[in-house]
Amino acid sequence: AQSVTQLGSHVSVSEGALVLLRCNYSSSVPPYLFWYVQYPNQGLQLLLKYTSAATLVKGINGFEAEFKKSETSFHLTKPSAHMSDAAEYFCAVSDRGGSQGNLIFGKGTKLSVKP
Amino acid sequence: ETGVTQTPRHLVMGMTNKKSLKCEQHLGHNAMYWYKQSAKKPLELMFVYSLEERVENNSVPSRFSPECPNSSHLFLHLHTLQPEDSALYLCASSQVTGVTEAFFGQGTRLTVV
Repeated sequence: AQSVTQLGSHVSVSEGALVLLRCNYSSSVPPYLFWYVQYPNQGLQLLLKYTSAATLVKGINGFEAEFKKSETSFHLTKPSAHMSDAAEYFCAVSDRGGSQGNLIFGKGTKLSVKP
Repeated sequence: ETGVTQTPRHLVMGMTNKKSLKCEQHLGHNAMYWYKQSAKKPLELMFVYSLEERVENNSVPSRFSPECPNSSHLFLHLHTLQPEDSALYLCASSQVTGVTEAFFGQGTRLTVV
């Protein structure tokens, strides 16, 4: 069965510092992987997605993620954190692999940005 | 109005009440979803509709009853809920079912007292 594990329920960085949010997946078939962001009192918004094309995926707001099959990872990074990046971030994988099925979400990582 | 709109944003109901959550999408999508978001738990997919037909029901208790009268509207009818049903209920839509980009509404914060 497909699943994702997000390491760290809460990450705190200083403004301008590197953001690294970790996601490891388990999938018996080539996965489609996603990162979503949820701002307070809002729904989820897609940041970026990996669909078996380029392994380095660029998303909105300066975020990017790299698919590493050997490490079964899809970590989210941003070179320089901004106060507006404070939110909760969710990694997700397709539950049947590829483009089929539905999204299975991780438990989320809350990002805090200190001035 | 654009995107996915959910009403009400907040709802407090007693365990014997009957209420409904509404979701409307203005994106021309054919698939709609209900998710439950509880504290410290992953998002749980509850129901999937494709072209107004329910295609998935993920072992959700019968006290939750979805309805999709057309491809733009999705309802979640609630009756005799339990306090553990208190959560944020999120509606989403996508062009088709499968793992295409899903667009989420802002959610309804439900409290069962």
